[in-house]
Amino acid sequence: GDSVTQMEGPVTLSEEAFLTINCTYTATGYPSLFWYVQYPGEGLQLLLKATKADDKGSNKGFEATYRKETTSFHLEKGSVQVSDSAVYFCALTEGAGGTSYGKLTFGQGTILTVHP
Amino acid sequence: DGGITQSPKYLFRKEGQNVTLSCEQNLNHDAMYWYRQDPGQGLRLIYYSQIVNDFQKGDIAEGYSVSREKKESFPLTVTSAQKNPTAFYLCASSRTVGNTIYFGEGSWLTVV
Repeated sequence: GDSVTQMEGPVTLSEEAFLTINCTYTATGYPSLFWYVQYPGEGLQLLLKATKADDKGSNKGFEATYRKETTSFHLEKGSVQVSDSAVYFCALTEGAGGTSYGKLTFGQGTILTVHP
Repeated sequence: DGGITQSPKYLFRKEGQNVTLSCEQNLNHDAMYWYRQDPGQGLRLIYYSQIVNDFQKGDIAEGYSVSREKKESFPLTVTSAQKNPTAFYLCASSRTVGNTIYFGEGSWLTVV
């Protein structure tokens, strides 16, 4: 079945540091890939997405590129802020025709803490 | 404002009692979903509905039930058969199955 693996957390950075959170996946067909962010005590917010190979999703200074050859979708940000402290989830949905079409499969989440 | 509204935000129940979590959306989305989140883990799919009067089991449906009588509403009942009901429950929706999924703010259920 489909699966998503994220780098182990927690990740602790100083403000303005460079962020990378690794995400790799296993899926049949051509999945769509997502990063969601969860602030303390809240639901998930869509951060960015990519629907085909080599697509780059971007939002609020975060970026991730869909790499089919390495089955990866690593999240990056050039300069993090304290307000970026949250839990970040990588997720995928299978393409049409897949048994899990339209349903999200999540990684376990990575806790990011940014200090001033 | 358009969005997904879950209620209540916090709920405490005694062991052996059924409890129903409400989820309403005004986005005119056809598909709706319920996920469960446990500490330090990702989200797991409980049930989903592609359209009114239709729903399917997800990966962890045992001990849960749902209904979809109206397009905008997808309530989840946590029954006494659910062995470990204490968790954070998230409702979500998408325009149709296969489109981007958006989440509500979640409901914390604690069973004592």
